[in-house]
Amino acid sequence: GAVVSQHPSRVICKSGTSVKIECRSLDFQATTMFWYRQFPKKSLMLMATSNEGSKATYEQGVEKDKFLINHASLTLSTLTVTSAHPEDSSFYICSARRQGTDTQYFGPGTRLTVL
Amino acid sequence: AQSVTQPDIHITVSEGASLELRCNYSYGATPYLFWYVQSPGQGLQLLLKYFSGDTLVQGIKGFEAEFKRSQSSFNLRKPSVHWSDAAEYFCAVGSLTGTYKYIFGTGTRLKVLA
Repeated sequence: GAVVSQHPSRVICKSGTSVKIECRSLDFQATTMFWYRQFPKKSLMLMATSNEGSKATYEQGVEKDKFLINHASLTLSTLTVTSAHPEDSSFYICSARRQGTDTQYFGPGTRLTVL
Repeated sequence: AQSVTQPDIHITVSEGASLELRCNYSYGATPYLFWYVQSPGQGLQLLLKYFSGDTLVQGIKGFEAEFKRSQSSFNLRKPSVHWSDAAEYFCAVGSLTGTYKYIFGTGTRLKVLA
């Protein structure tokens, strides 16, 4: 158990367009979901924490108007990169904290390339 | 400040050799510690975690880690490495109350020689 999926796995878009990434917990309810960004050969940088039904909490330096997060249900969170630019190209990973437990389970990641 | 340090960026070992990946942390409260593995282009898979109790923790794929409070360390070990263990390994320290956020180390890339 504890499977987290992300869709799409890869996306290429033109500069100025918006891209939505979905994160789903497939076999458990996730009270909290996290969005990370990973640069090549670098560690994971936490972007924001989202709790079901409430606004996301963004880390310092992360533009909330740029990276819109919605956590509408206990199994789905979405990250929308608005007006994407080449510098937004990165590997985005979500994780979900299983309700009642302490461990984060990670999705397989989404590779975003902005041309 | 809270932080996780993985001093070794790259490690190369021969298949069958033993492995130790280092992790040191700085954390104000009782640390909850994790090791994750990431294969190229993939998400993170939990290897093991330490919350409390026995300081030697067994994980999946034959990995173990030992929590040493006096050294602020949580090193990952495997007695005999397999070629399929080649990957990036991340140590993390987490809060299990409030925000439940993790802080990740910078990772150690393991290369296994045949």
